[in-house]
Amino acid sequence: NAGVMQNPRHLVRRRGQEARLRCSPMKGHSHVYWYRQLPEEGLKFMVYLQKENIIDESGMPKERFSAEFPKEGPSILRIQQVVRGDSAAYFCASSPLPGRREKLFFGEGSRLTVL
Amino acid sequence: KNEVEQSPQNLTAQEGEFITINCSYSVGISALHWLQQHPGGGIVSLFMLSSGKKKHGRLIATINIQEKHSSLHITASHPRDSAVYICAVRFEEGGSQGNLIFGKGTKLSVKP
Repeated sequence: NAGVMQNPRHLVRRRGQEARLRCSPMKGHSHVYWYRQLPEEGLKFMVYLQKENIIDESGMPKERFSAEFPKEGPSILRIQQVVRGDSAAYFCASSPLPGRREKLFFGEGSRLTVL
Repeated sequence: KNEVEQSPQNLTAQEGEFITINCSYSVGISALHWLQQHPGGGIVSLFMLSSGKKKHGRLIATINIQEKHSSLHITASHPRDSAVYICAVRFEEGGSQGNLIFGKGTKLSVKP
């Protein structure tokens, strides 16, 4: 039973390009969360998705960032027109069930560098 | 303001020592997570607590709801325990599950 899979592990983009980060949750998990870790800073919640629904996007920047979790395929975090400040590690986590007290399973992260 | 404070920020220990990392938070929570992050690596969830105490191997996590405080203990520490340990909480008024507030982490280095 594979864990949470994120790809790419490392991504380099020039300013103005688009970045797409993918997350495949653990088998049987239908809840996906994205977090961002800026250099030398703590983790911050971005968005919580279930299949075909965005449940909580209160941590997403208002512009250039979007996320989806389609019926088929991985969840995707999309960053348009990247800027240097977007350079960070982006982590995905998943959980099996709804509820207030589920343990989260994290991926290895995708490290985005914007030149 | 919902805040999570960890102490110490950095911790160096000798192999075999008993280690304690602390986490305090400001208001009521529904769950508290302890996470481990190795340099350049992914994040591993160690514990999720809402009350009491949990143990897994050499790791023990406790939480005191009244005092708004949690501790992570490592017994018989080993160099492979060297990592950043992160406390994260879901506040009762904090929105959906997964909407966690993270501490800044405690960087642990265990010397052989």
